[in-house]
Amino acid sequence: KQEVTQIPAALSVPEGENLVLNCSFTDSAIYNLQWFRQDPGKGLTSLLLIQSSQREQTSGRLNASLDKSSGRSTLYIAASQPGDSATYLCAVHGSNDYKLSFGAGTTVTVRA
Amino acid sequence: EAGVAQSPRYKIIEKRQSVAFWCNPISGHATLYWYQQILGQGPKLLIQFQNNGVVDDSQLPKDRFSAERLKGVDSTLKIQPAKLEDSAVYLCASSPFAGTDTQYFGPGTRLTVL
Repeated sequence: KQEVTQIPAALSVPEGENLVLNCSFTDSAIYNLQWFRQDPGKGLTSLLLIQSSQREQTSGRLNASLDKSSGRSTLYIAASQPGDSATYLCAVHGSNDYKLSFGAGTTVTVRA
Repeated sequence: EAGVAQSPRYKIIEKRQSVAFWCNPISGHATLYWYQQILGQGPKLLIQFQNNGVVDDSQLPKDRFSAERLKGVDSTLKIQPAKLEDSAVYLCASSPFAGTDTQYFGPGTRLTVL
């Protein structure tokens, strides 16, 4: 069974600092990995999707890397802003069962 | 393009009562998912529909939870009777096809069981 772990569970940084969010997974047989953002009382918004054959994906200030063999992904958010405050969830699509397995998330607070 | 719609947004019930949630996926999306997200945890898949057929309901507590997808479009998730541990956010998601497509999530229904 796929287990997805996100560390740290919470993070507080001053505005302008770069954010580094970590995700690890136990089964390297994945099809892709996604990073989602969840705001309080809202659903999940997909930020980046990395296929298993890719090493990284970039969108604006966001960059996500994937090391499938070691079961790790990192989400980098450059020059953080108060609007980046949210919970960030990592999810992997298993290549055997195609299920999406989620981590518990990292709650980020960016202080103005 | 309209997103995934869910109602109600919030529901408070007493244990042993019944409750139903409704989801309207993005138009044309064949696959619909219901997830349960307990506070402090990631979403857990309860059931997946492909059109109006069930693809995966292995984690659905079938003694109290039921779900249907009418005519391959809207879906309802029902809990009867509710338990305290059912307190969670119930998220509906849809995707164009099955498998590894990006899933689009609705805002969720927050259920509190007293």
